[in-house]
Amino acid sequence: QVQLQESGPGLVTPSQTLSLTCTVSGDSITSGTYYWSWVRQPAGKGLEWIGRVHSSWATNYNASLRGRVTISLDTSGNQFSLKLSSVTAADTAVYYCARGVEMGTIYFDHWGQGTQVTVSS
Amino acid sequence: QSVLTQPPSASGTPGQRVTISCSGSSSTIATNLVNWYQQLPGTAPKLLIYSDTHRPSGVPDRFSASKSGTSASLAISGLRSEDEAEYYCAVWDDRLNVDVIFGGGTKLTVL
Repeated sequence: QVQLQESGPGLVTPSQTLSLTCTVSGDSITSGTYYWSWVRQPAGKGLEWIGRVHSSWATNYNASLRGRVTISLDTSGNQFSLKLSSVTAADTAVYYCARGVEMGTIYFDHWGQGTQVTVSS
Repeated sequence: QSVLTQPPSASGTPGQRVTISCSGSSSTIATNLVNWYQQLPGTAPKLLIYSDTHRPSGVPDRFSASKSGTSASLAISGLRSEDEAEYYCAVWDDRLNVDVIFGGGTKLTVL
């Protein structure tokens, strides 16, 4: 049974870097053809894809966040991470990690429970 | 404002059949497979339909989806109170500025 769990600070100071980790159990992040992704959701709003790292280490990011976001694999801990720099209040959201499966499309078949991150001084 | 347009709300009574639409364009829905997610209140999204019409294991056959041209739709038959949730359509296309585009979501209320 694949499970994902987000962890990291729930409060980040404006202009600082948001750092989150997603720990994966029940699967290896370097096996298969998976796109390990981050999605966020501001309170009362819809879902926004942030970016992904493939099991081959290739990455791609939402153009609106490119330049501020880095997603990487940590094979030692079977984890992948999100770093978002120069945060503002607009980055306050619930952050989800998810496993993307490629089958002519990419769909997210497993999600973490989500973690609330608030940007405030 | 997402490039995938969903009605903000929908409603139905128990036992009824309801549909939720997702309108896109020739560069989104018409040329890409559509996925649907269900988000129950206070929980993470859950995959409901993938690749236009396929249900993952465990998803009841009350849920179905279709696509025609630049629009897709999700149908829920035999509506139940536990179906009250937010529903999102999504497409993937790495030729776009984002890999994954989500619709704005539709809040389904079971009256």
